[in-house]
Amino acid sequence: LAKTTQPISMDSYEGQEVNITCSHNNIATNDYITWYQQFPSQGPRFIIQGYKTKVTNEVASLFIPADRKSSTLSLPRVSLSDTAVYYCRLESTGNQFYFGTGTSLTVIP
Amino acid sequence: ETGVTQTPRHLVMGMTNKKSLKCEQHLGHNAMYWYKQSAKKPLELMFVYSLEERVENNSVPSRFSPECPNSSHLFLHLHTLQPEDSALYLCASSPEGQVGEKLFFGSGTQLSVL
Repeated sequence: LAKTTQPISMDSYEGQEVNITCSHNNIATNDYITWYQQFPSQGPRFIIQGYKTKVTNEVASLFIPADRKSSTLSLPRVSLSDTAVYYCRLESTGNQFYFGTGTSLTVIP
Repeated sequence: ETGVTQTPRHLVMGMTNKKSLKCEQHLGHNAMYWYKQSAKKPLELMFVYSLEERVENNSVPSRFSPECPNSSHLFLHLHTLQPEDSALYLCASSPEGQVGEKLFFGSGTQLSVL
């Protein structure tokens, strides 16, 4: 299974931009990169997906360098409600159902 | 509201009880999943169904028995559970179970086994 590595936890103050980087050195040509958000006692929620370069939606941006060996989820001006676990996933055949340990983000007032 | 509904939200059961978790999706998806999430641990994939057929079973103990009567409903039947089975059980669905699809999760059933 394709492996991802991301920080276990991060803290940020309200109003700051938060960048969470995920390493995936063994990414395959056909792999998509997907990020999910999970609040306590709830199921994960899709945030954003990309293949290369930059993707932006109303919630976040995803930056993927040319070699695709890492990706960075960027959350602009976080608020307390952004406190959650953020999962980086590689989507490939046989691996599209699995989640790693995620990054626990705590937003501080 | 994700379109995936799980009941009950909370369940307390003894080790000798038999209970069932229910999941229903209103998204017209053909793939459904059960995940287990123990406290402070990652999600563990338990079962995958595609078009009502089980396509993946991750070495789950037989005390967990899934059932998918149609593409909109998924059950997890529980019997003679152990205290270590206490966890959040999450149901999810996706259009076809293929790469690149979004997974839509329910809010989960918080299970406590006494």
